[in-house]
Amino acid sequence: NAGVTQTPKFQVLKTGQSMTLQCAQDMNHNSMYWYRQDPGMGLRLIYYSASEGTTDKGEVPNGYNVSRLNKREFSLRLESAAPSQTSVYFCASSEDRITYSNQPQHFGDGTRLSIL
Amino acid sequence: AQKVTQAQTEISVVEKEDVTLDCVYETRDTTYYLFWYKQPPSGELVFLIRRNSFDEQNEISGRYSWNFQKSTSSFNFTITASQVVDSAVYFCALSDDPTGANNLFFGTGTRLTVIP
Repeated sequence: NAGVTQTPKFQVLKTGQSMTLQCAQDMNHNSMYWYRQDPGMGLRLIYYSASEGTTDKGEVPNGYNVSRLNKREFSLRLESAAPSQTSVYFCASSEDRITYSNQPQHFGDGTRLSIL
Repeated sequence: AQKVTQAQTEISVVEKEDVTLDCVYETRDTTYYLFWYKQPPSGELVFLIRRNSFDEQNEISGRYSWNFQKSTSSFNFTITASQVVDSAVYFCALSDDPTGANNLFFGTGTRLTVIP
C-alpha cells in the first residue's frame, strides 16, 4: 500500500523555469492538498481539491496552479519559478468530511525544490 | 481567525528526561480539532493524535501523553523518558474539520533534540 506518492523527490530549477510536481494516492480519497514548508514555519496550504474536478485556493496560492487530473492525481505547477518558491512541498489526501478516521490527512514524503 | 502558537522553537533534553511541548491555539469555532504531527529528520510527517473540542480527557499512548485544556486553549504534548528516536520537529495543528481538511492550520513547530 503506497499511500501518497510524490515525484520527484528533489529538483533544482533556474529562475523562470516551469515545473510540475506530481502527486498520486491509492486510498480512494476524495480530498487532496498541496502544502509548502519553509524553515522555521509550519506547513502552509497552497491549494486543495475537495473532489475530482474542483480546486480551491489555500493560504498561499500565488505563483502556483493545480490540476486534479482524476481522483488519484493532483499536480502542482510552477509556471515561472522564483527563488521565493524554494521550499519543501507536501501533498496530502484525506477521506470525506463525513467519514471518521483515526488518521486525518495522509502525507507524501515531500519534494525538495530549490530555485536558483 | 484560527491560529496555533508553539512558542518553543527548539528544546534539548538528555535521554530519559521528560519533556513537554507546548501548544496554544485560537479559534472562534465551538467545534474544532487539534492534532500533533511528528517530522523526523527523514522529513516525512507522522500523525500522532487527533482530539476534538468536546473531549477534554487526557490521552496516554505509551511514553506519549497529551493534556487538552479548553480553559487555557492549550494542547500540550509530553514525552516521558525521552529517547534519541524522539528527536524530531513536532507540529501542533488546528482544524474545524475532523479529517483536517482544507483549513488545517499548523504551528511553526518545535525541534526536539534528545541527547544520548
